[in-house]
Amino acid sequence: DAKTTQPNSMESNEEEPVHLPCNHSTISGTDYIHWYRQLPSQGPEYVIHGLTSNVNNRMASLAIAEDRKSSTLILHRATLRDAAVYYCIPMNTGNQFYFGTGTSLTVIP
Amino acid sequence: EPEVTQTPSHQVTQMGQEVILRCVPISNHLYFYWYRQILGQKVEFLVSFYNNEISEKSEIFDDQFSVERPDGSNFTLKIRSTKLEDSAMYFCASSLGRGSSPLHFGNGTRLTVT
Repeated sequence: DAKTTQPNSMESNEEEPVHLPCNHSTISGTDYIHWYRQLPSQGPEYVIHGLTSNVNNRMASLAIAEDRKSSTLILHRATLRDAAVYYCIPMNTGNQFYFGTGTSLTVIP
Repeated sequence: EPEVTQTPSHQVTQMGQEVILRCVPISNHLYFYWYRQILGQKVEFLVSFYNNEISEKSEIFDDQFSVERPDGSNFTLKIRSTKLEDSAMYFCASSLGRGSSPLHFGNGTRLTVT
């Protein structure tokens, strides 16, 4: 399984953009890069995923490096509700979806 | 938007007792998962289930654990003889496919073993 490296914690001011990095240098060619977040006292929540191209949805954008060894989750305007632990997870057709320790995002009002 | 629902939200049981945690996945999903999270620790994969059988399981998922899809809607996790260290949040998830399909999680069942 691909190993991921994320900063333990990050801070952002409210209404500013946040870039959350993830290194996944051992990712295989068929792994999708998924991002999930876990708000306090809740289950993990899907944010976004992609394979090679950058992706946008209503929650965030995902920028994937050309060599796919890293990706960045972009929250365009952080709100207090975005304070959570963010996980990047390479996923493939095997069913082993393992969470790492993630990045704990603090949003400062 | 369809949701994964889990019941009960909190279960208290005595050590050595059997407990069944229940989940209703999203109706057209084909893949089902259980994860657990011990307080203050990371989310840990337990098992995945497809086509009425286990497709992957972790080292945590030993003989004390079993999963079942008894009818077309429920997906259950049974712990046969609970231990204190089984106290955790248990999350069920489902997905339409593998790899390219996101996992949808329920809000979990908090299991407390006394």
